[in-house]
Order: sequence, then C-alpha cells, then structure tokens
Amino acid sequence: AQKITQTQPGMFVQEKEAVTLDCTYDTSDPSYGLFWYKQPSSGEMIFLIYQGSYDQQNATEGRYSLNFQKARKSANLVISASQLGDSAMYFCAMRVRGNNDMRFGAGTRLTVKP
Amino acid sequence: GAGVSQSPSNKVTEKGKDVELRCDPISGHTALYWYRQSLGQGLEFLIYFQGNSAPDKSGLPSDRFSAERTGGSVSTLTIQRTQQEDSAVYLCASSFSSGTTHNEQFFGPGTRLTVL
Repeated sequence: AQKITQTQPGMFVQEKEAVTLDCTYDTSDPSYGLFWYKQPSSGEMIFLIYQGSYDQQNATEGRYSLNFQKARKSANLVISASQLGDSAMYFCAMRVRGNNDMRFGAGTRLTVKP
Repeated sequence: GAGVSQSPSNKVTEKGKDVELRCDPISGHTALYWYRQSLGQGLEFLIYFQGNSAPDKSGLPSDRFSAERTGGSVSTLTIQRTQQEDSAVYLCASSFSSGTTHNEQFFGPGTRLTVL
C-alpha cells in the first residue's frame, strides 16, 4: 500500500527564516515520484517541486528544496527566506510508476509571521 | 485559456438532487484527473482518464458518482442523489501522458459543492 504522512498540522515561521515541512512515505515500489504542492487560501493547487526516486541529488527550485532521504523514506520540503506570501497549505504527494493516481498527505498549514 | 478551468466555482444544492461539475483541461493534455477535498483534508483521488482508454474509476466512493470525458477534452463529473457527506471541493487536474512518475499535474480552481 502507498501512504503519505504529514505529521505537522500547522507550522509557524518568522519572516525571512527557513522552515522545514515534514513528509514521510511508504511504498514497496522502487520507482516513484514525490511532489510538493502549495494551496493558498484561493484554493488552487500550485506545483512547487518534484523528486524522482532514482534522482541522485536533492531537487531545488528557487527558495524551495527537497531533503530526500530515501532510506528513511522522507521527503521534507525546505523553504528558505520565508515570505508572507508563503502562508498556505502545503501538500506532499507521491506517484508510483504504473499507478494512475497521486496520493496526497493531509497537509501542513504554514503561517509566516511578520 | 492557459490553465485548467472548472465550472461552476460554487454549487449549492439540496439533498437528493443531481449535480454536474465541469472541467476543461489544458489543451494538449491527454490525462485528466478528478479529486475530492473535504474540509481541512488532503486530496482524495476519484477518477482518471487517459486518451481514449477506459477510465480508472477505482477512487469513486459510490455508484452515485460517475464521470465522462467527451472527445478527449472536457470532462463532466456527475453526482446523483447528493448526500450531505458529498459536500467538498472537487478539483480537476490535467497533465501530459502519465507514462512516467514525473508528470506534473496542473490543477483547476475547484468547484465548492455544498449539499444542504
């Protein structure tokens, strides 16, 4: 079975500081992809970053980086230099090769304080 | 348009009525997904279309839910005899062929369904 776990329902961070949002996953398939999406209050899901299970290096996209620890089955999102506009729900998701659906975690609500 | 569009943005209906939700994917995207997001929850997969292949309906919660995709483009999700527990945001997403794990899905703004 595939499962995504986000254990932090809510997180607070001071503006300009870095924050790590946790994500662990469970799958027995060696080929999978991990995604992070941002969902602001407007409701739209915004793709942030992708990590493939065979990728040797951690993915980075601007201020977003993914701390991929394959042996621990974790894929934490690191946001550097937080901005007020980063306040949103963040979802970790996984897609296993050959599966049509993407499994999402329950999400973490990030609040950036001025 | 440039992105995935969904209509209506909000739908309020009475228990027992049927509703239709529409999704217009990004032009050229062959894969289309429907998800349901209940209040404060993550996304729940409902159904998947890929080109002209038979859809993957494994996520549909009951036989009251059905979906079709006409001409490989626009999709309609139909909920018959709505129940209060159907109240949620219904999100549609599209992507290029889903042959790999790296298929970024582009989401629409969702339809907020409220069943009274």
